[in-house]
Amino acid sequence: QQQVKQSPQSLIVQKGGISIINCAYENTAFDYFPWYQQFPGKGPALLIAIRPDVSEKKEGRFTISFNKSAKQFSLHIMDSQPGDSATYFCAASRNNQGGKLIFGQGTELSVKP
Amino acid sequence: DSGVTQTPKHLITATGQRVTLRCSPRSGDLSVYWYQQSLDQGLQFLIHYYNGEERAKGNILERFSAQQFPDLHSELNLSSLELGDSALYFCASSVSGTNTGELFFGEGSRLTVL
Repeated sequence: QQQVKQSPQSLIVQKGGISIINCAYENTAFDYFPWYQQFPGKGPALLIAIRPDVSEKKEGRFTISFNKSAKQFSLHIMDSQPGDSATYFCAASRNNQGGKLIFGQGTELSVKP
Repeated sequence: DSGVTQTPKHLITATGQRVTLRCSPRSGDLSVYWYQQSLDQGLQFLIHYYNGEERAKGNILERFSAQQFPDLHSELNLSSLELGDSALYFCASSVSGTNTGELFFGEGSRLTVL
């Protein structure tokens, strides 16, 4: 069954701290792993994405770590800011099914000032 | 602003009724995707259209149907509505029909079935 499991459901972090959200997948055919950020009343927006040929990708304060053998990937938000407070979704898809994303359940992040 | 426009933003209707949700993709995008977001099911892929043709189906109920018109806008039709159909319905668009890449989501249509 194609599933992506995400944890934790919610996360509270102090300003300046590191936020870590984890995801695990089952289908080894997945080859694209994006993270989407969603603010209340808005649609999800792509934050960062990785393919399984690399173990880490960094864009500014956001880093994806990818462990192919463990079928796990995680999002690290360094120097977390109150403006990062949002719901984060990991997702996965197969190359020939590009837009058919299988989403995790989401993590509600709250960054306290 | 993602460039994807969805109407209406909010819709309240009764069980048994039929509604139509509309989506205009970003300029130049040929693919339109529909997703349903609910508290218990999360974000679920419903259906994908590319340049007017259906490309993939997900967990879409038989009571639901969609189409993409020659001007590339799309409509999602929901009929014989049930309480459990209450959810946020998102449309997303992308340039490609197959390759992975960024999806641009609209702000959603919130459907409430009473």
